[in-house]
Amino acid sequence: DVQLVESGGGLVQPGGSLRLSCAASGFTFSSYWMHWVRQVPGEGLVWVSRIDSDGSSTNYADSVKGRFTISRDNAKNTVYLQMNSLRAEDTALYYCARPMADTRNAFDMWGQGTMVTVSS
Amino acid sequence: QSVLTQPPSASGTPGQRVTISCSGSSSNIGSYTVYWYQQLPGTAPKLLIYGNNQRPSGVPDRFSGSKSGTSASLAISGLQSEDEADYYCAAWDASLNAVLFGGGTKVTVL
Repeated sequence: DVQLVESGGGLVQPGGSLRLSCAASGFTFSSYWMHWVRQVPGEGLVWVSRIDSDGSSTNYADSVKGRFTISRDNAKNTVYLQMNSLRAEDTALYYCARPMADTRNAFDMWGQGTMVTVSS
Repeated sequence: QSVLTQPPSASGTPGQRVTISCSGSSSNIGSYTVYWYQQLPGTAPKLLIYGNNQRPSGVPDRFSGSKSGTSASLAISGLQSEDEADYYCAAWDASLNAVLFGGGTKVTVL
């Protein structure tokens, strides 16, 4: 099956860290850029970060720059989001998303999301 | 606050045509292609339109996209009850080096 499966979410205290994983299957993972998008329940979509196919280029939303790090392991078909210095406003459902072939930002595949809650 | 501006809500009766606008700037919509997503309650978003006006395989031709200058629109023709969802526009922004989403438009079928 062609799918993305996120994991690693949970409850963490402010200032803490968490690493999210997104395992891909059913397609040639190493050929695609990969993204993280988050959504506070009941609110809109917010793009977080992206990484190119070989991991050499990354971009981040200003709100997470310097705190979050995206990386990937093409041998494991997995993309990661290391989240440090977490704040209450980082509480959200985090999706990983894959763009269509030959595009960088048209997300035609999404995972089911993993919930991150930052609270004391 | 989203840099891409959408109306918070839109509505129509079954069979009507509904249009959702998305306003941006020269650094995003004015320079890059626009995407549209549909999000049904409790589900992940689904790509509806890419490349301003292209539909992925499986998306009904009732959905159409257009772009002019720094604005874009999504039109839903022949509105159906299953179209009741949140709709988001998105585009790359060269100033921010980021993907921007609009704030979303909730479509209600009356």
